[in-house]
Amino acid sequence: AIQLTQSPSSLSASVGDRVTITCRASQGISSALVWYQQKPGKAPTILIYDASTLESGVPSRFSGSGYGTDFTLTISGLQPEDFATYYCQQFKSYPQMLTFGGGTKVEIK
Amino acid sequence: QVHLQESGPGLVKPSETLSLTCTVSGYSISNGFYWGWIRQSPGKGLEWIGIIYHSGSTYYNPSLESRLTISVDTSKNQFSLKLRSVTAADTAVYYCTRESRLGIPSGYWGQGTLVTVSS
Repeated sequence: AIQLTQSPSSLSASVGDRVTITCRASQGISSALVWYQQKPGKAPTILIYDASTLESGVPSRFSGSGYGTDFTLTISGLQPEDFATYYCQQFKSYPQMLTFGGGTKVEIK
Repeated sequence: QVHLQESGPGLVKPSETLSLTCTVSGYSISNGFYWGWIRQSPGKGLEWIGIIYHSGSTYYNPSLESRLTISVDTSKNQFSLKLRSVTAADTAVYYCTRESRLGIPSGYWGQGTLVTVSS
């Protein structure tokens, strides 16, 4: 099964900072990767799909990059509403299997 | 706009069966797409449980497959989850999901329902 390793597991940042989160797959997944944001008590929402395509309605300060095994989510100019937990999800082997990264919690410094 | 709503008991005893239903509105299950379940243990990450196609074809997480059944009732526009022989490790918020038109596997989510396994 394909494993996803996210790093860091948590980070502290200030409003306006540039934040980078990485997701590494245990084997190549092409661009079959989604990034989600989850706030406490809520379901996750899609930020980026196909590794780099911004979901409709998501602010342009969010961006995704990568292909194969290494992926990055970047927040350019962190806003107060961005403090949340972020997850990557691979769907290379979908529908047989989906897997998530362990999550990255972005906290206020 | 499709809307998904989970329902079921919030408390299940160890060794019993956890049963949840997802009621869909705004879209007919029989028209297509994969419908699924994802869970999140308290304070933990997300775990994919499995999915079902409108025709009834299923795919399950191998770690849960021996205890799991996902079924669909197109007449009620619902799909369901049954997880047998539960333990405290099955305590989680359970979300139902639908594939998006762009093929994103978990494009739409319900609000989630907390199920606690305890005697």
